[in-house]
Amino acid sequence: GNSVTQMEGPVTLSEEAFLTINCTYTATGYPSLFWYVQYPGEGLQLLLKATKADDKGSNKGFEATYRKETTSFHLEKGSVQVSDSAVYFCALSDDRNTGNQFYFGTGTSLTVIP
Amino acid sequence: KAGVTQTPRYLIKTRGQQVTLSCSPISGHRSVSWYQQTPGQGLQFLFEYFSETQRNKGNFPGRFSGRQFSNSRSEMNVSTLELGDSALYLCASSLRGSNYGYTFGSGTRLTVV
Repeated sequence: GNSVTQMEGPVTLSEEAFLTINCTYTATGYPSLFWYVQYPGEGLQLLLKATKADDKGSNKGFEATYRKETTSFHLEKGSVQVSDSAVYFCALSDDRNTGNQFYFGTGTSLTVIP
Repeated sequence: KAGVTQTPRYLIKTRGQQVTLSCSPISGHRSVSWYQQTPGQGLQFLFEYFSETQRNKGNFPGRFSGRQFSNSRSEMNVSTLELGDSALYLCASSLRGSNYGYTFGSGTRLTVV
């Protein structure tokens, strides 16, 4: 079946530090991969996505590369800001095999201190 | 462009009651999905509707149901509420399906007492 495993949190970083949040997946087909971000009291916002192997998704300084050989989609940012403090969710979707639903990881809470 | 709108934002209900939550998708989006978010179970898929038809359903008891109207607006209903139904319920809409990403609403926070 489909599943997503992501790095346990919480993660605390100083401003301008490098961020990596690990995400690995298991899928029966050829899924699309996503990172969503959730700020306190809000819903999920799409951060970036990749729909096939070797694709790199990027947005707002965040990047993730779809690695089929390692079944990974790690999130990275070179220099985090206080405003990046949020919970980050890795997710996959494989609408050809399992319909239009996301399989989410458990979320990683990030706190960036000045 | 208006986003996904969920109403109400907060609800407090008593065990045994029923509740209806509403979702207005982005204009033109025909696929609407619902998710339950809890600290213990994380984000779990409830169901997905497209053009008034339920296309996919998650692993939830029959007390959880939903529907979609001809204007793509959707409602979900939970009957005979239990304490464990306390959660953030998120609605999401998409133009082309999950492989292209969904836009989520801010959610309805349901508390069952």
